[in-house]
Amino acid sequence: AQSVTQPDIHITVSEGASLELRCNYSYGATPYLFWYVQSPGQGLQLLLKYFSGDTLVQGIKGFEAEFKRSQSSFNLRKPSVHWSDAAEYFCAVGANNQGGKLIFGQGTELSVKP
Amino acid sequence: NAGVTQTPKFRILKIGQSMTLQCAQDMNHNYMYWYRQDPGMGLKLIYYSVGAGITDKGEVPNGYNVSRSTTEDFPLRLELAAPSQTSVYFCASRKGQLNEQYFGPGTRLTVT
Repeated sequence: AQSVTQPDIHITVSEGASLELRCNYSYGATPYLFWYVQSPGQGLQLLLKYFSGDTLVQGIKGFEAEFKRSQSSFNLRKPSVHWSDAAEYFCAVGANNQGGKLIFGQGTELSVKP
Repeated sequence: NAGVTQTPKFRILKIGQSMTLQCAQDMNHNYMYWYRQDPGMGLKLIYYSVGAGITDKGEVPNGYNVSRSTTEDFPLRLELAAPSQTSVYFCASRKGQLNEQYFGPGTRLTVT
């Protein structure tokens, strides 16, 4: 079955430090992968996506993610975190059924220390 | 473009009441979705539509109904509200298969 796992429920980093959020997926074919960010009380905003091609994907707000097929991973990174990055981050894979729905991980809540 | 819009933003219902959550998009997208988000969980698909006049069930459809009479609108109906339907509801849309989904701001529903 298709699934997404985000092992870290909550992460705290200091402002200016680097960040890596982990995402592992289970999928039988080449996956379509996404990272979304959700600020408190807001909807979901797309950070970046991977469909094919270069396995290092650049997104908005200075984020990037690397697709590693051998590890079934799509980890999100940022070299220097800003206080405004505090939010919840969701990794998702596009399903091959039900209209191409998104299958979401449980989310990782990011806190940023001053 | 306004993107995906949802109304209302907040609603409190009593058990057994009914209501319709509205969703509209102005991007001429074919695909539309309703998800619910519960604390500590990702989003789960309730219903989806691949075009006007075509709808189908997602993972958690019980207690809900949808219709898609136009490309723009995709309302979600709760007929007999139950406490288990307390959640945040998100509508989303996308153009086609190789496109990302765009999300509305959500409706926070409480059933007491």
